[in-house]
This record gives sequence, C-alpha cells and structure tokens, in this order.
Amino acid sequence: DSGVTQTPKHLITATGQRVTLRCSPRSGDLSVYWYQQSLDQGLQFLIQYYNGEERAKGNILERFSAQQFPDLHSELNLSSLELGDSALYFCASSGRLGGGSGGANEQFFGPGTRLTVL
Amino acid sequence: AQKITQTQPGMFVQEKEAVTLDCTYDTSDQSYGLFWYKQPSSGEMIFLIYQGSYDEQNATEGRYSLNFQKARKSANLVISASQLGDSAMYFCAMREVMDSSYKLIFGSGTRLLVRP
Repeated sequence: DSGVTQTPKHLITATGQRVTLRCSPRSGDLSVYWYQQSLDQGLQFLIQYYNGEERAKGNILERFSAQQFPDLHSELNLSSLELGDSALYFCASSGRLGGGSGGANEQFFGPGTRLTVL
Repeated sequence: AQKITQTQPGMFVQEKEAVTLDCTYDTSDQSYGLFWYKQPSSGEMIFLIYQGSYDEQNATEGRYSLNFQKARKSANLVISASQLGDSAMYFCAMREVMDSSYKLIFGSGTRLLVRP
C-alpha cells in the first residue's frame, strides 16, 4: 500500500459526460501528479500541483482540469468525454518539489481509477 | 527531448533464475534520475528502485539491482531469484526536470512472466 488513495476505482460513463476523479496523497506529501495510461499512448504525465498551486502541465487536454485543495487532496475533472478518454488514471505524490541530484524523491502511485467511456 | 526505450515487449524466466530487463535512455542533461516501477495485473504502480546519474555505485534493493552503464545510456533492471509474484509489467522511467519541478517519462514497458 503506497499510502495514496484514489476514488472511485472504476467509472463507467457515456460520451459527452463529465466526471471527477479524486486523489488523497500520502500523509505529508505536498506534490500531486496526474498520469493517464492508455493502450495507444502508454503512461503520460498530465499535470502537477504543489501545495495548492499548479506547477507543471503535460499532455493535458483543454477539456481536462485539476485542482488541489487546502487539505492537499486533488481532483481531476474530465468533461465532454470521448471514447478515446477511456484509460487508467493515476495520481502520484512525492514529498519534495524538485528532483535534482539530491536523492530519488520518488513518486508513489495510487491504485488508479479505470475510466470507461461508452 | 528525453526518451526511454524498452525493447522487450515480453520476457519469460524460470522461477528462481535471474532475469535482466533492458532500458536505454536519451537525455542531454548532466543530472538525471532513473526509476523502475512494477505494475501487477491489479493495476497499481509500485516503485522498485532508483539510480541517480551521479551515483557511483549501482543501486540495489533486495532482489532488485540496477545495472547502470552511463556511457551506453542504459539502466537495466536485474531481478535475482525470480518468484511467481514477479510476473507483471515493468516500466523504466526517467525524471524530466521542469523549472523547479519534475515529471516522469515512461518507457513502453516489458511484460515479465515467471514460469514455475
């Protein structure tokens, strides 16, 4: 158990709908990262928050947005869903912001939310 | 741009034997970090081992070791004494620094099957 929790575990919805995925980081971790794992694109970084502020953006669609709340939990909002958005969405957390040469500062992943868009 | 390449889509290994999973990387950075994660069929991503570019010794964590060859830009994962529970997808990843933060760039993964 990584200490990162994600809800729900599974989500089935229809095209055009909107969903919210929730993540609670490990106790004490300030950084939250969102990744998408799909069959055709593999594992891709979407967005990162640190202590409530957006710090980095990756291949995140404009239909997707995220936020991190004062209690450090994060939500990923996916709207106008398309069939191609079906994927496993991971949240990860780490203790420090940077990752220079000062140690691993590894990211600990949650169990993921499997989204199926029908 | 940084890139991670895992050329083995699938591997078989006999239980109790050692296996090496290949990973090559491409970066122009002098300081970087390499990670291996395991993804069992249940789906979660489990951190296994880390190697920093300035680490002089190869990283080891229990039955996992990382064969780091900087000049060849390779960071192969060695699993000794394979167990049935090692059957999973294995991903090599590189840390890409973005301003004061970082993200992970993942390879396409290697599916390992341990035979009894």
